[in-house]
Parts: sequence; C-alpha cells; structure tokens
Amino acid sequence: SYVLTQPPSVSVAPGQTARITCGGNNIRSKTVHWYQQKPGQAPVLVVYDDSDRPSGIPERFSGSNSGNTATLTISRVEAGDEADYYCHVWDSSSDHVVFGGGTKLTVL
Amino acid sequence: QVTLRESGPALVKPTQTLTLTCTFSGFSLSTSGMCVSWIRQPPGKALEWLARIDWDDDKYYSTSLKTRLTISKDTSKNQVVLTVTNMDPVDTATYYCARPRGRFGELHDWGQGTLVTVSS
Repeated sequence: SYVLTQPPSVSVAPGQTARITCGGNNIRSKTVHWYQQKPGQAPVLVVYDDSDRPSGIPERFSGSNSGNTATLTISRVEAGDEADYYCHVWDSSSDHVVFGGGTKLTVL
Repeated sequence: QVTLRESGPALVKPTQTLTLTCTFSGFSLSTSGMCVSWIRQPPGKALEWLARIDWDDDKYYSTSLKTRLTISKDTSKNQVVLTVTNMDPVDTATYYCARPRGRFGELHDWGQGTLVTVSS
C-alpha cells in the first residue's frame, strides 16, 4: 500500500518560513491535500489539489508537489499556526485514502 | 452551508459492536458526485481513513479493517451509519465523518468528531 512520510516535528520562529514535507513514491503523480489540526479540534483543509487554497485560508499557506516530495509552506509564521499538519492523497491502486503520519509545527 | 455531526456511544465494551451515525445537512447523498467518509484518530496519533460511501451506493473500506466495517446510508434522513464489530481497546479514538469533493478529492467538510472509548 502507498505510504506517506512526514517529519514528526518542525520548529520555526515567528515571522520565519515553515516547510513541512510529505514524501511518497512518485507523489508528483498524485494530488496532495493538507490539513491543519489544533488540539481538541477537527482537521481543517488548508491546501487542496497540491497548491490551491480554500476560501478563508491566508495566502501565507501554499503548497507544491514535485518528484517524491510534496511541501506545505507557511510564510511569516504566527503563533496561531502552531498545530499538527497532515498530508493526504487518494491511492487509486488500493482505492484508499492515505494520510501522512502528521507533523507537529512548533512556533518558538 | 455544509454541516456534519457524529453521534454514538462514548463507551463500549470489548467485543461489542460500535454503531456511529453521521447526520449531515447542506447536501444530499442522492446527488451525483456526493460522498461521505469516516476517519478516526486514536489519542495522540495520526488520522486513519476507515470507509467511504458514494451517492450510487458504492462502498470502499480500509483494507486493514475491511472485515469489521460496514457503511450504509439513509438518504431520506441525510444520515450515514458506520458499524465496527468486535471492538478492542486499540479502537479507542475520535471518530470523524467528512465530506470529500467527489470520490477522490479533498475532505472539505468535517464533523466535530466523537470520542469512543473501549473499556470493560
């Protein structure tokens, strides 16, 4: 089955740029979505179709997908961005939704 | 506006069957392209996809849990039901229902989740 690999944690100072990666075999052939989850809350979609943003999501959130790695980039990080972030693809070979293991973003 | 809400028991005993209901509004599961998925999250752990049901009654299940899961819909009530048989303490988790965009798209709308604890 298809596996998505995320770093367990990423730390960044306020105002800096955070990059959270999601690795998968030839992931560029798939469409990647990203969710933000704060403690005690349901996940919230922040990027879909590799790089599109839902309405209401700040432009600071962006995504890219190339080769074996998709990346969620958060520019000008704020304290309120501290959360867990998950990537997601649809694996057509298994007819499965696949989630990455999640990355905890800490704002220093 | 799309809303989803999960309901079910907060506590089940080992070996029992869990039945969860997702009640939604803002869309109809009789409309072409509409789907509802179930996802769970054990405390402190990652999201795990469980199952999806589509407008045409196609059903998809997690391979690892396939033998224990059943998903169904009641279009007239705007509800989707998930049953999980033979519950075990490792099934303790927050269970979410969510609406994907089409069969393969992002999970655009989520319920608030319901915590189910498995304990004797």
